[in-house]
Amino acid sequence: AQSVTQPDIHITVSEGASLELRCNYSYGATPYLFWYVQSPGQGLQLLLKYFSGDTLVQGIKGFEAEFKRSQSSFNLRKPSVHWSDAAEYFCAVGPMNSGGYQKVTFGIGTKLQVIP
Amino acid sequence: DVKVTQSSRYLVKRTGEKVFLECVQDMDHENMFWYRQDPGLGLRLIYFSYDVKMKEKGDIPEGYSVSREKKERFSLILESASTNQTSMYLCASSLPALNTEAFFGQGTRLTVV
Repeated sequence: AQSVTQPDIHITVSEGASLELRCNYSYGATPYLFWYVQSPGQGLQLLLKYFSGDTLVQGIKGFEAEFKRSQSSFNLRKPSVHWSDAAEYFCAVGPMNSGGYQKVTFGIGTKLQVIP
Repeated sequence: DVKVTQSSRYLVKRTGEKVFLECVQDMDHENMFWYRQDPGLGLRLIYFSYDVKMKEKGDIPEGYSVSREKKERFSLILESASTNQTSMYLCASSLPALNTEAFFGQGTRLTVV
């Protein structure tokens, strides 16, 4: 069965500092991997996704993530955090083959606080 | 701009009431989903639908049912609301292709008293 672990429930960073949010997955083959962001009171918005090819993927809002098969990880990074990045971030993994339905398993989320 | 619209942002219902949560998408997506979001538990899939009148149970379907009479609309029904169903409910839609993301509504925060 597929699973996703986000080991950090809360992270606090200073504005302008770099950010790395961790995500580890368990899956039997090459997974589809996603990072979503949820601003307060909002639904989830896709930041980026990985399916194949280049293991470093670029997303919206200056975010990037790197797929490392050997570590079963898909960590999200941003070189300089802005106050508007304060939100909850969800990593998710999907199967390669699901009979037309892509079941996505979400992590429990990491809540990011940005301080001045 | 693509949109998934949930009919209510906030709902307060009494224990035992029948509750309907409505979701409409304007992207002609085949797949639609209902998730429940709770602190420390992330998003858990309640039901999904891959076509009109078609539905499949997700991970936590107990106490819920769904209806999809039209492609753009997917309803979640709590047959007899209970306090442990107090939660944030998120609707999403997607194309049927594997390499595609889901688009989410803004959520409905349901409180059962």
